[in-house]
Amino acid sequence: DVKVTQSSRYLVKRTGEKVFLECVQDMDHENMFWYRQDPGLGLRLIYFSYDVKMKEKGDIPEGYSVSREKKERFSLILESASTNQTSMYLCASSLPLAGGPVSIYEQYFGPGTRLTVT
Amino acid sequence: AQSVTQLDSHVSVSEGTPVLLRCNYSSSYSPSLFWYVQHPNKGLQLLLKYTSAATLVKGINGFEAEFKKSETSFHLTKPSAHMSDAAEYFCVVRSSTLGRLYFGRGTQLTVWP
Repeated sequence: DVKVTQSSRYLVKRTGEKVFLECVQDMDHENMFWYRQDPGLGLRLIYFSYDVKMKEKGDIPEGYSVSREKKERFSLILESASTNQTSMYLCASSLPLAGGPVSIYEQYFGPGTRLTVT
Repeated sequence: AQSVTQLDSHVSVSEGTPVLLRCNYSSSYSPSLFWYVQHPNKGLQLLLKYTSAATLVKGINGFEAEFKKSETSFHLTKPSAHMSDAAEYFCVVRSSTLGRLYFGRGTQLTVWP
């Protein structure tokens, strides 16, 4: 079974702190993703990475950065946490698209980190 | 560009009655579509997926969804709701490039005894 783990289930930080959220997957997946989940808004993509040291902005990258030094690990960084970054953060991983009309694709999600910034 | 619209933010049903969660998609090509479920304080779980093999897709726990191109819909159904189905459900479309997903805003399903 694919396993995606996140470093913390719950985290409380103060405004202005630098925050690191870690994600590790054990299936040798090339693609990794960071989302935030807010009530009534679904999941919104912050950043994703399709290879080591590669990253792409998602829909809401402002205030965040990422790091992918190793294939299995994808870190989300809040350079200076703010109260509007209080949210549930979800990490996911997947194989790359194989192409063709019958490609099977699934993102596997971690349990999430509920971050509160006070 | 791809997007999905979940037409109901909340759906309430009685146990044993049918479930219908509605989703419309927008895509410029033949899409790959998914339904994910999230139970309270649990992670996201894939319920079912459509990848153009068959228009009626069966998933776990008795759920199924039908892809209707003419209506750009991918509604999720279950003939008989169970209390354990109470959860939030997300309709998702996949981008053709790099595999990123676009999530709907979610439908909260409540099941009354």
